[in-house]
Amino acid sequence: GNSVTQMEGPVTLSEEAFLTINCTYTATGYPSLFWYVQYPGEGLQLLLKATKADDKGSNKGFEATYRKETTSFHLEKGSVQVSDSAVYFCALSDFNTGNQFYFGTGTSLTVIP
Amino acid sequence: EPEVTQTPSHQVTQMGQEVILRCVPISNHLYFYWYRQILGQKVEFLVSFYNNEISEKSEIFDDQFSVERPDGSNFTLKIRSTKLEDSAMYFCASSSGLRYQETQYFGPGTRLLVL
Repeated sequence: GNSVTQMEGPVTLSEEAFLTINCTYTATGYPSLFWYVQYPGEGLQLLLKATKADDKGSNKGFEATYRKETTSFHLEKGSVQVSDSAVYFCALSDFNTGNQFYFGTGTSLTVIP
Repeated sequence: EPEVTQTPSHQVTQMGQEVILRCVPISNHLYFYWYRQILGQKVEFLVSFYNNEISEKSEIFDDQFSVERPDGSNFTLKIRSTKLEDSAMYFCASSSGLRYQETQYFGPGTRLLVL
């Protein structure tokens, strides 16, 4: 079946540090991959997505590359800011399983000044 | 920017009571969804809804659950007789299309606590 595994949190980084949040997936078909972010008190917001292998999604300095060979979609940012403190969710949707999304557990990031 | 809204933000109820969670999807979207996240666990799909019908549902979405679009703007999730294990964050989402690459837009969630 389909599933997403994210690295355990919480993650605490100093401002301007490099961020990596690991995400690996299992899919029966050929999935699309997403990163969502949830700021305190807000909904899940799409951060970036990639719909085919080797695609790179990017937004607000965050990047993730769809790696079919390693079934991964790791989120990276070169220099985090305090305002990046949030919970990050990796998700997939799969052609074979309709329009439901499969999520990871979420990774809480705190950036300290 | 249009957004999905949900009410209430928090709800506390007694076991066995009925609860209705409300959502207002983005106005030109046609596909609506409910997900839930039990504390410490993954966000799980419950149901999708299109053209006034359920299009998909998960094993979690049993007879205790129902969804409705009572008017042109609201989308509701009803739990008929709540159980302790229904305590979770419930997220509503909507999308403009049905393709698997389509982005789903989520609301802020309703935190339900069943005592």
